[in-house]
Amino acid sequence: KQEVTQIPAALSVPEGENLVLNCSFTDSAIYNLQWFRQDPGKGLTSLLLIQSSQREQTSGRLNASLDKSSGRSTLYIAASQPGDSATYLCAAYTSGTYKYIFGTGTRLKVLA
Amino acid sequence: EAGVTQSPTHLIKTRGQQATLRCSPISGHTSVYWYQQALGLGLQFLLWYDEGEERNRGNFPPRFSGRQFPNYSSELNVNALELEDSALYLCASSRWQGSNQPQHFGDGTRLSIL
Repeated sequence: KQEVTQIPAALSVPEGENLVLNCSFTDSAIYNLQWFRQDPGKGLTSLLLIQSSQREQTSGRLNASLDKSSGRSTLYIAASQPGDSATYLCAAYTSGTYKYIFGTGTRLKVLA
Repeated sequence: EAGVTQSPTHLIKTRGQQATLRCSPISGHTSVYWYQQALGLGLQFLLWYDEGEERNRGNFPPRFSGRQFPNYSSELNVNALELEDSALYLCASSRWQGSNQPQHFGDGTRLSIL
């Protein structure tokens, strides 16, 4: 049974810092892993999707990596801004299950 | 391109009533997914519809049901509402059987049970 864990649960950093959010999964038989952002009271915004055959994906200041053998993915945010403040969720799409399993999220606050 | 739209935004019901939540996917998307985000429990997969058929179901009781219409929009029905059904219900869509397709989410329906 796939379990997805995100560490840390909450993070507060000053503006301009580079930061790393971690996501761990127990079953390496994944099709893809997706990172989302959720603002308070809102739905999810897809940030990056990494296929199982890929090692990383980049979009602007965001870079996500995937290491299936170790069951880990990281989301790197460069030069953080107050507008990056949100909850970040990772979700693993596991072979044969036809569904995403979500982590509990990292609540990020970037201080101006 | 219009995103995933959900209605209503908020829904208030009492125990024992029934609730109907609606979702319109992005144009061209045939798969619709429903998730429940309850306080303290995180996002839990509820249902997946593709081409009008229920393809997968999460660990929820049968009083959670739904359907997908020929235009690919979807309804989630919750019967015999219980207090613990209070949650944000999110709908997502993807182009087809979503194994390698990103899921795009709506803003959700907040269901409150009094």
